[in-house]
Amino acid sequence: AQSVTQLGSHVSVSEGALVLLRCNYSSSVPPYLFWYVQYPNQGLQLLLKYTSAATLVKGINGFEAEFKKSETSFHLTKPSAHMSDAAEYFCAVSSEGSSNTGKLIFGQGTTLQVKP
Amino acid sequence: NAGVTQTPKFQVLKTGQSMTLQCAQDMNHNSMYWYRQDPGMGLRLIYYSASEGTTDKGEVPNGYNVSRLNKREFSLRLESAAPSQTSVYFCASNLGTAFTEYFGPGTRLTVT
Repeated sequence: AQSVTQLGSHVSVSEGALVLLRCNYSSSVPPYLFWYVQYPNQGLQLLLKYTSAATLVKGINGFEAEFKKSETSFHLTKPSAHMSDAAEYFCAVSSEGSSNTGKLIFGQGTTLQVKP
Repeated sequence: NAGVTQTPKFQVLKTGQSMTLQCAQDMNHNSMYWYRQDPGMGLRLIYYSASEGTTDKGEVPNGYNVSRLNKREFSLRLESAAPSQTSVYFCASNLGTAFTEYFGPGTRLTVT
């Protein structure tokens, strides 16, 4: 079975500081991994995805994530936080590895607070 | 191009009442999904439809039924609502090859 663990339900950073949101996964097959962002009272929007190509994946709004197989991690980073980055972030893994049924297993989410 | 739309946006039900949540997508996607979101638990898959005419259970299907009415529409029905079904419900769709799910804005359901 596949699972996702996001370390830290709340992360607080100052504006301009590095953002690091941690995600570890468990998968018996090569995973496909995703980061989604959810702004208050909205649906989820895809930030970036890893689908077995380059291990460093760049997404929208200056975010990127690195797939590290040896560490079973897919941490999300952004060099400089902006106030508009305040949101909830979800890491997800495709529930059937490389087969695309589209079903996703989500982590519990991390709320990012950005302080002025 | 509206993407994924959901109705209603908000709903309050009494225990035992029934209702249907509607979802439609205009992106010609093959696959559609229903998730529920609860605090501290992320999103959990209720049901999905890999293609028109097929539906399958997800992680938390009990108490729900679905209908894939056509390629565009995928509805979620609560036959007898329970307080444990208080949640935010999201519909999503996926072309089936691109691994990217597009989400609707959600339906906030409260069962009293």
